Amino acid sequence: GAGVSQSPSNKVTEKGKDVELRCDPISGHTALYWYRQSLGQGLEFLIYFQGNSAPDKSGLPSDRFSAERTGGSVSTLTIQRTQQEDSAVYLCASSSRLDRDTYGYTFGSGTRLTVV
Amino acid sequence: EDKVVQSPLSLVVHEGDTVTLNCSYEVTNFRSLLWYKQEKKAPTFLFMLTSSGIEKKSGRLSSILDKKELFSILNITATQTGDSAIYLCAAGGTSYGKLTFGQGTILTVHP
Repeated sequence: GAGVSQSPSNKVTEKGKDVELRCDPISGHTALYWYRQSLGQGLEFLIYFQGNSAPDKSGLPSDRFSAERTGGSVSTLTIQRTQQEDSAVYLCASSSRLDRDTYGYTFGSGTRLTVV
Repeated sequence: EDKVVQSPLSLVVHEGDTVTLNCSYEVTNFRSLLWYKQEKKAPTFLFMLTSSGIEKKSGRLSSILDKKELFSILNITATQTGDSAIYLCAAGGTSYGKLTFGQGTILTVHP
């Protein structure tokens, strides 16, 4: 697609429920990143995909968080048993090797997750 | 652990003022420093800096990198209300492109 697409744009969920956040990167971008931005904070790295594998998942805050990528394209971030501290904007970004060395990432508009 | 620190955390100015935003970094095998502007959700790219002392300019915005002192500045001259946003600084190493972000500077420009 023309840009990085994330869905849903907003999600309100009850504490304890599971949620799935989706990211559709720019076509041909092999690298995909998930970041989290809490209110008033910078971006916190969660996980990086190269193709379908995740060489770095060091930023996932707990085992309630998991992510997968299929077909070298769409990625899903799953949060199980959501807690209030999971409330944040979840941003996805993608890049090709060329873009990364020139423009860094292209970001999606994010999913604002609110856990009530 | 890689670290990026921005200052000030927030700044309020009036239209026409000039502002300077600061970013210091400690990144293993540093490769590049980037500035992004975030108005609503998606950060948008402003500059990528890889060499010391070479200023990059885009209209009223400019940025420069000092690799010896490990910092960068972003200048905005003749500020406008449309410049109100969060400005994010990020640094990357030579690995796969992971960027470490600072906390951001919230800039508010009043008419």
